[in-house]
Amino acid sequence: KQEVTQIPAALSVPEGENLVLNCSFTDSAIYNLQWFRQDPGKGLTSLLLIQSSQREQTSGRLNASLDKSSGRSTLYIAASQPGDSATYLCAGNNAGNMLTFGGGTRLMVKP
Amino acid sequence: DAGITQSPRHKVTETGTPVTLRCHQTENHRYMYWYRQDPGHGLRLIHYSYGVKDTDKGEVSDGYSVSRSKTEDFLLTLESATSSQTSVYFCAISDRAGATNEKLFFGSGTQLSVL
Repeated sequence: KQEVTQIPAALSVPEGENLVLNCSFTDSAIYNLQWFRQDPGKGLTSLLLIQSSQREQTSGRLNASLDKSSGRSTLYIAASQPGDSATYLCAGNNAGNMLTFGGGTRLMVKP
Repeated sequence: DAGITQSPRHKVTETGTPVTLRCHQTENHRYMYWYRQDPGHGLRLIHYSYGVKDTDKGEVSDGYSVSRSKTEDFLLTLESATSSQTSVYFCAISDRAGATNEKLFFGSGTQLSVL
């Protein structure tokens, strides 16, 4: 059974800092690894999806990497802004989009 | 945003009463999912559907049933609500499953409180 862990559970950084969020998974037989953003009281918004054959994906200031052999993915946020404050969730997709989610990292970017 | 509407957005009910949550999509996507989100557990899959009248169980299906009579609607029913079913419920949709590049799109959630 897939297990996904995110560390740290919470992170506070000053505006402008580059930061890395970590995600680890136990079953490397994944179709893809997805990163989501969740704002308080809202649903999840898909940020990046890394297919099993890929090593990384980029969207604007976000870069996600995937290392299946070590069971790790990272989300890199460059030049953080207060608007980046949210909870970030990673999820491993092992079959048919039945995702296994990590517990999330709650990010606070201070002005 | 993907056209997903969950109703109601908030509901308070009493233990032992039946509750039905609705997910409505306008994307004509084949696959629909119900997740629940709880502190300390993250999001967990309850049930999913791969077509009209085609459904299957997820990780935490006990106490829940689902129905899908039309492509656009996926209903989640708590036959006899318990306090342990107090949670935020999310519906998600996708066009395909098993494709390595297929994303899930989520609704805004239903906050359910069982007293």
